[in-house]
Amino acid sequence: GAGVSQSPSNKVTEKGKDVELRCDPISGHTALYWYRQSLGQGLEFLIYFQGNSAPDKSGLPSDRFSAERTGGSVSTLTIQRTQQEDSAVYLCASSSGRDSYNEQFFGPGTRLTVL
Amino acid sequence: GQNIDQPTEMTATEGAIVQINCTYQTSGFNGLFWYQQHAGEAPTFLSYNVLDGLEEKGRFSSFLSRSKGYSYLLLKELQMKDSASYLCGADSNYQLIWGAGTKLIIKP
Repeated sequence: GAGVSQSPSNKVTEKGKDVELRCDPISGHTALYWYRQSLGQGLEFLIYFQGNSAPDKSGLPSDRFSAERTGGSVSTLTIQRTQQEDSAVYLCASSSGRDSYNEQFFGPGTRLTVL
Repeated sequence: GQNIDQPTEMTATEGAIVQINCTYQTSGFNGLFWYQQHAGEAPTFLSYNVLDGLEEKGRFSSFLSRSKGYSYLLLKELQMKDSASYLCGADSNYQLIWGAGTKLIIKP
């Protein structure tokens, strides 16, 4: 079956512009995560959605970052007024959210470069 | 607080054995994941340990000690394609708490 997909795969933008990153999770997965990974670094948790519950936004680095998940499926991560330090790979992952453990399946990521 | 520690980088020789350690402190611990991430690619699942002990899966084995907050990933008969970063993640309630990853360099 189809895995997690993300678009675009690469995004180059100018400082101060807004960007939108999209994630399509695996069908039926109720849990969706956004992470940020800078070059050579580990995964930085950004936000978590589970079903219809209020999202956990505790990892968002500033109020320039926001995310939505429509219809419990597709998610969009929006970064407003981008800064150079926002340059990173943004990874989306989904999990079934129902099992006793939460294996996460990752998308290929969006590489964001802010000039 | 919650934290995960693993070595930043390790080097090993093709055909040899290497052990990557991970220590963790989390709340609501359920289990310990190991993921592999090749450069420029997304992480992929390797193993998940819930109970104490060693679980073997081909050339890769993973060990967990819940009382010590300790895990390791053991890679045998190393191949060049094993050059990657290995991420340790603690399953804490609904999310994974990630280590920074261990970059494994395999030399011929």
